[in-house]
Amino acid sequence: KQEVTQIPAALSVPEGENLVLNCSFTDSAIYNLQWFRQDPGKGLTSLLLIQSSQREQTSGRLNASLDKSSGRSTLYIAASQPGDSATYLCAVRRGNTGTASKLTFGTGTRLQVTL
Amino acid sequence: EAGVTQSPTHLIKTRGQQATLRCSPISGHTSVYWYQQALGLGLQFLLWYDEGEERNRGNFPPRFSGRQFPNYSSELNVNALELEDSALYLCASSLDRRLYGYTFGSGTRLTVV
Repeated sequence: KQEVTQIPAALSVPEGENLVLNCSFTDSAIYNLQWFRQDPGKGLTSLLLIQSSQREQTSGRLNASLDKSSGRSTLYIAASQPGDSATYLCAVRRGNTGTASKLTFGTGTRLQVTL
Repeated sequence: EAGVTQSPTHLIKTRGQQATLRCSPISGHTSVYWYQQALGLGLQFLLWYDEGEERNRGNFPPRFSGRQFPNYSSELNVNALELEDSALYLCASSLDRRLYGYTFGSGTRLTVV
């Protein structure tokens, strides 16, 4: 059974700092990994999707890397801003069809960026 | 392109009642997934519908059920509501056979009193 863990559970940084969020998964046989952002009481916003054959994806100040063999992904946020404050979730997908297509979510990292 | 839409945004029900939540996927997406996010807990997989059929369900009792309509929209029904059913219910859609991720709706906040 796939288990996804995110460290740290919570993080507070001053504005402008670069930071790294970690995601670990126990079964390396994944199809892809997706990072989401969730504001309090809201739905999920997709940030980045990394296919199993890729090593990293970038979008603006965000960069996500994937190391399947070690079961790890990192989300790098450059020059953090107060608007980045949210909970960040990673989720893995075992396959593209059938029951393997559902997502298994991590525990989340709650990020607060202070002025 | 419209995203995944969910209704209602908020729902307050009394214990023992039934709740109905609705989800419209992105146009062209045939798969709809339902997740529950209870306070302090992670996202738990509830149900998956594809092409009008229930394909998989998570570890939830049978009073959680639903269906998918011919236009691929979906309905989640929760019968005999219990206080612990209070949660944010999220719906997502995905193009199952392509290299795309999931798109989530904004959720329905269900409160059972």
